Amino acid sequence: QKEVEQDPGPLSVPEGAIVSLNCTYSNSAFQYFMWYRQYSRKGPELLMYTYSSGNKEDGRFTAQVDKSSKYISLFIRDSQPSDSATYLCAMRSSSASKIIFGSGTRLSIRP
Amino acid sequence: DTGVSQDPRHKITKRGQNVTFRCDPISEHNRLYWYRQTLGQGPEFLTYFQNEAQLEKSRLLSDRFSAERPKGSFSTLEIQRTEQGDSAMYLCASSYAGASSYEQYFGPGTRLTVT
Repeated sequence: QKEVEQDPGPLSVPEGAIVSLNCTYSNSAFQYFMWYRQYSRKGPELLMYTYSSGNKEDGRFTAQVDKSSKYISLFIRDSQPSDSATYLCAMRSSSASKIIFGSGTRLSIRP
Repeated sequence: DTGVSQDPRHKITKRGQNVTFRCDPISEHNRLYWYRQTLGQGPEFLTYFQNEAQLEKSRLLSDRFSAERPKGSFSTLEIQRTEQGDSAMYLCASSYAGASSYEQYFGPGTRLTVT
């Protein structure tokens, strides 16, 4: 079993819809939670990070962490075609430097 | 700030050949990481440096792989006797060790194809 599980999609939604992306994890030591966006043939770009449980909002993006359920989410409001990309959840423990990534969800926003 | 840069962007090599990739981190960053990403998967950690010291290596890093970071600036990743299974995107990231060290910034990657 992988430490981080993420539905690979693909997920296709119309422009303007609210998108919900999710990951589950098994390692209770994870304390830092991140979402990266990766366009085709590019490196991952850090979108959001959260420490421990709670919510964080940045513009159209909201990240949620529920440590009791080992479940993290990213919500995208008013989705745009330019949001079409692969979204990677990632996490690490306080004592580690390496990041553990999910396999990514491919998202397509239809105009 | 030009971000993390990697060279070459794409490398095609024949099985059995050696290849070397270079990564230039963001100038003030003292940590440098190498990851490998195969199609449909997230990046997998290979190794990382703090300054010139290599502090951690993944079990994925077989003895055919070696990484260096002389003088704590740029880093190289060498793969000897390449195999078809080495075909992947090799990503470099850098960060500044401190309270926000989770903020790893990635380069564009080097895509390796072994024929």
